[in-house]
Amino acid sequence: NAGVTQTPKFQVLKTGQSMTLQCAQDMNHEYMSWYRQDPGMGLRLIHYSVGAGITDQGEVPNGYNVSRSTTEDFPLRLLSAAPSQTSVYFCASSLAVGNQPQHFGDGTRLSIL
Amino acid sequence: GENVEQHPSTLSVQEGDSAVIKCTYSDSASNYFPWYKQELGKRPQLIIDIRSNVGEKKDQRIAVTLNKTAKHFSLHITETQPEDSAVYFCAATSGGYQKVTFGTGTKLQVIP
Repeated sequence: NAGVTQTPKFQVLKTGQSMTLQCAQDMNHEYMSWYRQDPGMGLRLIHYSVGAGITDQGEVPNGYNVSRSTTEDFPLRLLSAAPSQTSVYFCASSLAVGNQPQHFGDGTRLSIL
Repeated sequence: GENVEQHPSTLSVQEGDSAVIKCTYSDSASNYFPWYKQELGKRPQLIIDIRSNVGEKKDQRIAVTLNKTAKHFSLHITETQPEDSAVYFCAATSGGYQKVTFGTGTKLQVIP
């Protein structure tokens, strides 16, 4: 099993550009989530999904969209990148809803100029 | 929503000493409390977790305690080693067990 795979690992964008961060897991996990990690602020939940076709907002959802068309994939879309979205983004999955250990991807380091 | 506070933000200990990191949570309905270790430039990885029906759990040099009444839980690392140096995050699950809220992290430095 590859676990949770995130692509790309690094990306530089200009303000106003859009892009999609990819996340895929091969563990047949129902629960998937996206976090951003900023210095001194820990991991903050952006969006999460409890199963295919179901998504919901987390703590900091503004400026981001998600979809969950399959169990395996959970892409995160930045609609119009802003410098405030410069961060490290982690995708995670767990067997069931949030009361199970989460498996994290390696992260995407995103810089917005 | 849930609020998780974590202290201290940094912790330095001598090799062989113990380290304790404390977290408090606000939602009395939270029932799952994991701890993650993140080495520099790497992904967070689960090191231990505890559920609300248990007061303490141990795994070799690592233990976690939970006080539901006071709404706080703690990570204890004994006989610390240089490879324990990392950032540690606590977390709590709320919102019908769908949202995981993380603490702000503790940077642990073990001095050889």
